[in-house]
Amino acid sequence: GEDVEQSLFLSVREGDSSVINCTYTDSSSTYLYWYKQEPGAGLQLLTYIFSNMDMKQDQRLTVLLNKKDKHLSLRIADTQTGDSAIYFCAEKSEAAGNKLTFGGGTRVLVKP
Amino acid sequence: DTEVTQTPKHLVMGMTNKKSLKCEQHMGHRAMYWYKQKAKKPPELMFVYSYEKLSINESVPSRFSPECPNSSLLNLHLHALQPEDSALYLCASSQGFSGVEKLFFGSGTQLSVL
Repeated sequence: GEDVEQSLFLSVREGDSSVINCTYTDSSSTYLYWYKQEPGAGLQLLTYIFSNMDMKQDQRLTVLLNKKDKHLSLRIADTQTGDSAIYFCAEKSEAAGNKLTFGGGTRVLVKP
Repeated sequence: DTEVTQTPKHLVMGMTNKKSLKCEQHMGHRAMYWYKQKAKKPPELMFVYSYEKLSINESVPSRFSPECPNSSLLNLHLHALQPEDSALYLCASSQGFSGVEKLFFGSGTQLSVL
């Protein structure tokens, strides 16, 4: 079945760049997403990338997709304390009935 | 209005109670979802409604009963829950169900079953 994996935790200093990594197994993925969840809140869509793209940039966020290695990353430039949250990658594929498969989430802690 | 509103924010119920969770959106979205999220885990899909019809039920126990009265509202009726059902219940909506559907999530209902 489909599987999406992320590292559990990332600590970064304020002002530095953060890179969150994600690997997936489903080769029929059509779209890949990054969601952010702050404590006590729902998930907020940050960005997404179509599977035939290599890169997408949106202000401080850069998404890189290596389809051959099934590896997705999210780079946050100039990380701020407000970026402290849990980040989930998710993939959508026809094989999964167009449902989202979420990774386990990466908790990002930004230190002043 | 880009919000998905869920009520109540917190709910404590006994195993013999009947309660309902409510979700509302006014973005004209035609797909609505219920997810269950345990602490430090990703959300797990429970139900999907597309154009007010139940299109996906992820083998959810019958003590959870979804209802979509109209295109803006989604309810989750709860009856005879177990303590292991305690979790954050998230509602989401999207324009449709196929394609690059961007899900908009509510803040959730934190449910405790005693």
